[in-house]
Amino acid sequence: DAGITQSPRHKVTETGTPVTLRCHQTENHRYMYWYRQDPGHGLRLIHYSYGVKDTDKGEVSDGYSVSRSKTEDFLLTLESATSSQTSVYFCAISEKAGDNYGYTFGSGTRLTVV
Amino acid sequence: DQQVKQNSPSLSVQEGRISILNCDYTNSMFDYFLWYKKYPAEGPTFLISISSIKDKNEDGRFTVFLNKSAKHLSLHIVPSQPGDSAVYFCAAQGRGGGSNYKLTFGKGTLLTVNP
Repeated sequence: DAGITQSPRHKVTETGTPVTLRCHQTENHRYMYWYRQDPGHGLRLIHYSYGVKDTDKGEVSDGYSVSRSKTEDFLLTLESATSSQTSVYFCAISEKAGDNYGYTFGSGTRLTVV
Repeated sequence: DQQVKQNSPSLSVQEGRISILNCDYTNSMFDYFLWYKKYPAEGPTFLISISSIKDKNEDGRFTVFLNKSAKHLSLHIVPSQPGDSAVYFCAAQGRGGGSNYKLTFGKGTLLTVNP
């Protein structure tokens, strides 16, 4: 899938537990993004990164944190999962800002918080 | 405030006919527009894009039209095929600099092409 993998693919967790989702790329792209997809909302940006240790918030960042210690890995953490964070999470990468070919997406992680 | 709007949640067409998916935007700073296609249990994949300096871009069966004055774009698929059945997302990108390059997505339109 163009050198981007997400893990795990599926996860069920309990309310209040911490959860970390991993995005790994082999393309050496500078930019990485975390989106969530929910019915009626489309794709919404959670956090993004424009380099190692350089991250910023998206439109729905509350309850989430991210880290990027290496170019290839971008981690999304739910410090204390809530039922409202049940969603499908997509990681995306792009080589440069304003890339006219847009992003390459991973296959997604389906997270269920019970 | 939704900056990219896809007002039709779903669209159903017959195989061989034209599919027209619509998208409206509110931010005049958007410089580039893209369409993504998404099958169930897969990530979105890039389909076609158009720069704000153009009004049409064509790639095989897919054509995107941009009307800047109306802040409206549309994706035409001709002829439609059953394999085109998927969710289509419209996305917009701002001019370079700062965080403007981030993609903003619409809610998506589910296209069903009936054999």
